[in-house]
Amino acid sequence: NAGVTQTPKFRVLKTGQSMTLLCAQDMNHEYMYWYRQDPGMGLRLIHYSVGEGTTAKGEVPDGYNVSRLKKQNFLLGLESAAPSQTSVYFCASRMSGGGETQYFGPGTRLLVL
Amino acid sequence: DAKTTQPPSMDCAEGRAANLPCNHSTISGNEYVYWYRQIHSQGPQYIIHGLKNNETNEMASLIITEDRKSSTLILPHATLRDTAVYYCIARGGSNYKLTFGKGTLLTVNP
Repeated sequence: NAGVTQTPKFRVLKTGQSMTLLCAQDMNHEYMYWYRQDPGMGLRLIHYSVGEGTTAKGEVPDGYNVSRLKKQNFLLGLESAAPSQTSVYFCASRMSGGGETQYFGPGTRLLVL
Repeated sequence: DAKTTQPPSMDCAEGRAANLPCNHSTISGNEYVYWYRQIHSQGPQYIIHGLKNNETNEMASLIITEDRKSSTLILPHATLRDTAVYYCIARGGSNYKLTFGKGTLLTVNP
């Protein structure tokens, strides 16, 4: 049982390039989340999904798109990366019902030059 | 979700109990108090949550005051590996999301 995994672990992009971050979970969780964390800050929610085929905006959605085509995967896309998107990105998942116990992945470090 | 207030940092000696306070004076009746922690560079980890009653699990104890305006997370025998940022979050019943503040940096000293 791998839990929540994220790919890649680290990436360097140039301004204007695009990329997709992949989050996968093997716990059959309904809900999935993408957060970003900037130095010295708490986590901020980018987008989330309450089930396969659904997505919703979080606190800081601008500049990002997401897709949840399969229940186990949640993709975060940056169409045209900007230096302000340099951050650590965390994915999380949880079961439906039963509270807000989220399981987090190890994070993806993104540097946009 | 109700706003929570935590001290920015605390120190604790190894082997002693660490008591981390959280103020949530505007919490409503259906909001739970959740605690997570984040060890340096890792993803956050769930610790414990509660509504009214005190709770205990293998990691920690959660003490919630009778008026529910504040709570304390207790790590009974802190170790160096407990050095982390601890987040206290008040989360409403129908809200799908957690809102993370800046938390408390707990440093456990040898």
